[in-house]
Amino acid sequence: GAGVSQSPRYKVAKRGQDVALRCDPISGHVSLFWYQQALGQGPEFLTYFQNEAQLDKSGLPSDRFFAERPEGSVSTLKIQRTQQEDSAVYLCASSLGLGVSGGPVIKTQYFGPGTRLLVL
Amino acid sequence: KNEVEQSPQNLTAQEGEFITINCSYSVGISALHWLQQHPGGGIVSLFMLSSGKKKHGRLIATINIQEKHSSLHITASHPRDSAVYICAVTRGEYGNKLVFGAGTILRVKS
Repeated sequence: GAGVSQSPRYKVAKRGQDVALRCDPISGHVSLFWYQQALGQGPEFLTYFQNEAQLDKSGLPSDRFFAERPEGSVSTLKIQRTQQEDSAVYLCASSLGLGVSGGPVIKTQYFGPGTRLLVL
Repeated sequence: KNEVEQSPQNLTAQEGEFITINCSYSVGISALHWLQQHPGGGIVSLFMLSSGKKKHGRLIATINIQEKHSSLHITASHPRDSAVYICAVTRGEYGNKLVFGAGTILRVKS
């Protein structure tokens, strides 16, 4: 079946420009995560959704970063007034999470290919 | 100090060698993950474990909860194993967020 997809794969933005990054999770996956990976480093957590609810946004670096998942499937990460330090790969991941019947939580996360953002 | 520490940072091996990558963590976790990342960004989950040992093909992952330590072993290494191997732990109020180590860059030479 289809995996997690992200678009665009590459984005070049001028400093101060707003950008929107899209994530299509695996169908039926309840949980969705955004991570930021700077060059040569491990990914860092940004935010987490369970269905449409944003349960954890503790990793968002500033109020210029905003994420939404209005219908509990596709998610968008928006960065306003981009700065050079925002240049990174933005990774989206999804997982099954809690079953509808409250069954076992499955926490394996499936990652998308990432969006590589370069802010000039 | 990072919550998740990996060693070594870089590793070069000859084809066929037995490889070990280590991971130590300093916080309470609900699970530990080993992930593989190839150049270009794609991350694949190899293992998720909370106790004991798991094996998949030539890969073996172990965890010692008391010592807060995990190892990833690759037997009979092959050049196609060359990648970045990342240790991550699951924590957070909802047991959701992954906290990643910096990764180990593995190169297997033929």
